[in-house]
Amino acid sequence: GEDVEQSLFLSVREGDSSVINCTYTDSSSTYLYWYKQEPGAGLQLLTYIFSNMDMKQDQRLTVLLNKKDKHLSLRIADTQTGDSAIYFCAEKNSSQGNLIFGKGTKLSVKP
Amino acid sequence: DTAVSQTPKYLVTQMGNDKSIKCEQNLGHDTMYWYKQDSKKFLKIMFSYNNKELIINETVPNRFSPKSPDKAHLNLHINSLELGDSAVYFCASSWGTGGGGYTFGSGTRLTVV
Repeated sequence: GEDVEQSLFLSVREGDSSVINCTYTDSSSTYLYWYKQEPGAGLQLLTYIFSNMDMKQDQRLTVLLNKKDKHLSLRIADTQTGDSAIYFCAEKNSSQGNLIFGKGTKLSVKP
Repeated sequence: DTAVSQTPKYLVTQMGNDKSIKCEQNLGHDTMYWYKQDSKKFLKIMFSYNNKELIINETVPNRFSPKSPDKAHLNLHINSLELGDSAVYFCASSWGTGGGGYTFGSGTRLTVV
């Protein structure tokens, strides 16, 4: 079945760039997503990319999609302490329409 | 104006009780979902409804019963609560075949004691 994999932890220094990586299995996925979850909070949609795109940029966020390798990445430029959170990669289930989430990457930003 | 609202936000109850969580969306979406987030933060789909019709029913104990009275509401009823049901439950909505339009509620933290 479909699966989404991402590393569980990432630690960076304030001001550095963060890169969170994700791999997925459903080559028919039309959309891929990044969600952010702060402690005790809900899921905030950060950005999404359509599968016919290679890159999408939105202020400090850059999403790269390598469809051949089924690899998605999220780059956060000039990472701030407020960016500390869990980041979830998700693909859209092409047959049923629900989101399939990775296990989440906990980003820790050290001052 | 909240787009996807869930009530209650917190729910503490004893084992064996029956409880309900309510969800409403005012986005005009036609599909609604329930996701469960466990203590390790893993998120899994439980159910989805499209225009009041059940689309997804994952391997969830039949103590869990979703009900969709109309396309703006999807409630989750849980019978005979068990300790392992403790989790955060998220409601979400989208257009059935849409792209970026998945909107999540703020979650209901269920604790079974």
